[in-house]
Amino acid sequence: QVQLVESGGGVVQSGRSLRLSCAASGFTFSSYAMQWVRQAPGKGLEWVALISNDGTYKYYADSVKGRFTISRDSSKNTLYLQMNSLRVEDTAVYYCGRDPRYCIGVSCYLGSVDYWGQGTLVTVSS
Amino acid sequence: EIVMTQSPATLSVSPGERVTLSCRASQSVSSNLAWYQQKPGQAPRLLIYGASTRATGIPARFSGSGSGTEFTLTISSLQSEDFAVYYCQQYNTWPPITFGQGTRLEIK
Repeated sequence: QVQLVESGGGVVQSGRSLRLSCAASGFTFSSYAMQWVRQAPGKGLEWVALISNDGTYKYYADSVKGRFTISRDSSKNTLYLQMNSLRVEDTAVYYCGRDPRYCIGVSCYLGSVDYWGQGTLVTVSS
Repeated sequence: EIVMTQSPATLSVSPGERVTLSCRASQSVSSNLAWYQQKPGQAPRLLIYGASTRATGIPARFSGSGSGTEFTLTISSLQSEDFAVYYCQQYNTWPPITFGQGTRLEIK
């Protein structure tokens, strides 16, 4: 069965760095794009970043662009999120997710998430 | 950026009732819309993609409809396990992929 397990969260001071990991199993990791989505305490879902299945293409929310880097290692079936220059407003539960790239007819679409990890909490203190 | 607006913010309903949640996009997203359910302390769960296709394992009481800018999620007969927060998400025009602010279904 598909499993995604995040790790690396914790408490960090503003301006410091943290790297999140997401270990994937139960599917062919290299065949799927992957995403990070976060949720601030008591708030809604916010998309953070997406990486293509082969790591060639990477996309970011404006709120993290230039500070966060998404990457993947298919030899380890692991997705990463390197977070630099952290801010108090980055405090959130960070979820990794598998992008199924649904196809309808001849058209295929990235952007939804069919499997989610349990999340890892990042707390940025001032 | 496409803004997704969900209504209402909170809905109080009784088990067994039929309920309809709404989601509006600030510009057309075609049918590239998903719905997610999230229970307290849990990760979101994909319910619907492509505006109307149920994800694997999702009960038939959940249905989605709409295209362009207006979408609905209908639960035909609410079960106790359906009380949760529901989010819509557009993936037609991105980055950024955007979510609605959520609708909370609570027990009346």
